[in-house]
Amino acid sequence: GDSVTQMEGPVTLSEEAFLTINCTYTATGYPSLFWYVQYPGEGLQLLLKATKADDKGSNKGFEATYRKETTSFHLEKGSVQVSDSAVYFCALSDGSARQLTFGSGTQLTVLP
Amino acid sequence: NAGVTQTPKFRVLKTGQSMTLLCAQDMNHEYMYWYRQDPGMGLRLIHYSVGEGTTAKGEVPDGYNVSRLKKQNFLLGLESAAPSQTSVYFCASSYSVTKETQYFGPGTRLLVL
Repeated sequence: GDSVTQMEGPVTLSEEAFLTINCTYTATGYPSLFWYVQYPGEGLQLLLKATKADDKGSNKGFEATYRKETTSFHLEKGSVQVSDSAVYFCALSDGSARQLTFGSGTQLTVLP
Repeated sequence: NAGVTQTPKFRVLKTGQSMTLLCAQDMNHEYMYWYRQDPGMGLRLIHYSVGEGTTAKGEVPDGYNVSRLKKQNFLLGLESAAPSQTSVYFCASSYSVTKETQYFGPGTRLLVL
């Protein structure tokens, strides 16, 4: 079945540091790929997505490129802020009802 | 426009008790989903619905039942709660297969003693 493997956390960075969170996937079909973010005490919010190979999703300074050859969708940001502290989930959408399969999540803490 | 709402926000149950979690969305979405979130395991799909009157099993359906009698509501039931069902439950909805972004509710924290 489908699966998503995410870089284990927690990750702690200083403000303005460069961020990479690795994500690789296994899928039988042609999935869409997502990054969701969960701030403390809240539900998940869509951060960005890509629906086909070589697409780049971007939002709020975050970027991720759908790499079919390496089955990867790594999340990057050039300069993190304290307000980026959250849990980040990589996910893929596949199947007839486009169910989401999630990675285990990566806790990011940004220190001032 | 409230988006996706969940009731209740927090509940404590004793083993063997039953309860129903309510999810409501006001975006006219066809698809609705129930997930559970456990530490280190991400979110796992319990049940989902592709339209009013239809439901289907997800990855971890045992011990749960669902109903979608109205398009805007998706109910998750626990008939006989067990400590293993202690978790945070999230409801989500999406418009269609092509407009597939899922919108999540704020979650229900359930503790089963």
